[in-house]
Amino acid sequence: DAGITQSPRHKVTETGTPVTLRCHQTENHRYMYWYRQDPGHGLRLIHYSYGVKDTDKGEVSDGYSVSRSKTEDFLLTLESATSSQTSVYFCAIKPGHAYEQYFGPGTRLTVT
Amino acid sequence: DQQVKQNSPSLSVQEGRISILNCDYTNSMFDYFLWYKKYPAEGPTFLISISSIKDKNEDGRFTVFLNKSAKHLSLHIVPSQPGDSAVYFCASSARDTGKLIFGQGTTLQVKP
Repeated sequence: DAGITQSPRHKVTETGTPVTLRCHQTENHRYMYWYRQDPGHGLRLIHYSYGVKDTDKGEVSDGYSVSRSKTEDFLLTLESATSSQTSVYFCAIKPGHAYEQYFGPGTRLTVT
Repeated sequence: DQQVKQNSPSLSVQEGRISILNCDYTNSMFDYFLWYKKYPAEGPTFLISISSIKDKNEDGRFTVFLNKSAKHLSLHIVPSQPGDSAVYFCASSARDTGKLIFGQGTTLQVKP
């Protein structure tokens, strides 16, 4: 158990509404990541953080923003949800000395 | 530009036989390679990894082989068990990025 929780686990929202997903860790790791998983694409990096208030874009960052005001929490916000953002979202953490990342249980988001 | 590719979307094997999952990469800067296993409705779990200075790493029933000249890695599962049925993702990393690039995944079905 990597000590990662995600909330909510499931969400249905309408096009144009803002949505915030939360990732919480109990391990005090510096690195945190947000991915989306879609059929045929594997896991694609949206944004990541290498410390409080330190974030950077991944390969599919358009339409997403993130914030990290505390070590334990990493928030992903869809400013105005679109149907193309229907996906399963995973948060991950990485111990500073390691290559491996450890994933949370995921959030299934449906945008109607 | 897909830097990490898993060209077989699915694989079916008989219980007790060997499962071989393949992965190709294009970026010669990658220096670490990982395999993840994912069950439905769960987050990916780290399975096994290999550094670019090695060509083989073994952990119980799981062995990863790396062929740097061919930019190819494979995961061998021997003997395969029904509980191994899952989606397997390979991932690659370059040390200075702190990021993982994932393949599209291969769904393994092990038949009793």
